[in-house]
Amino acid sequence: DARVTQTPRHKVTEMGQEVTMRCQPILGHNTVFWYRQTMMQGLELLAYFRNRAPLDDSGMPKDRFSAEMPDATLATLKIQPSEPRDSAVYFCASGTGTGGNTEAFFGQGTRLTVV
Amino acid sequence: GNSVTQMEGPVTLSEEAFLTINCTYTATGYPSLFWYVQYPGEGLQLLLKATKADDKGSNKGFEATYRKETTSFHLEKGSVQVSDSAVYFCALSSYYGNNRLAFGKGNQVVVIP
Repeated sequence: DARVTQTPRHKVTEMGQEVTMRCQPILGHNTVFWYRQTMMQGLELLAYFRNRAPLDDSGMPKDRFSAEMPDATLATLKIQPSEPRDSAVYFCASGTGTGGNTEAFFGQGTRLTVV
Repeated sequence: GNSVTQMEGPVTLSEEAFLTINCTYTATGYPSLFWYVQYPGEGLQLLLKATKADDKGSNKGFEATYRKETTSFHLEKGSVQVSDSAVYFCALSSYYGNNRLAFGKGNQVVVIP
């Protein structure tokens, strides 16, 4: 059963530390999304990639966040330095984006707590 | 830009009641429309979708019809169960939005036995 795998599932870190979240998209999917979910803001799109190239990262604070796809089987989201306001659940999703019909499959998320 | 609007606030209803969650959208061109469901502690799962006007998506007793004239995609279920308690998100994807998936804010649905 193909699924998107995210690691770690939970992360507690101190303010100022670097955090790296990893995502393994479903094999064959050419589109990868990173979302952040909080009670206040709901689901926010941080970045997304098509065929490993970044298409849109306008939702991401550039000074501390970075997203990459070093290869087709791995996407990473890094926060450096982390701040308490970054506490949220971060979701990765993958899909096959063609002709506007992008159906996304979500991972179970990484719950980040910055203290 | 493309956007999705869902009705405000949680929805609380009794088992076997009729459920409606409103969703309207703004988009350039002809988007595909989706409903996703999120159970506690889980990621989002696709519930149903429709890719062109007048299409009806359906799954697990839920239905939604793509209404281009009213730019709406309301979710309905005739008889809800306790197990339907979850958060429901309306979303769209459009070629003119570079295929990015835009979500509404979601509605918490609580079904009481």
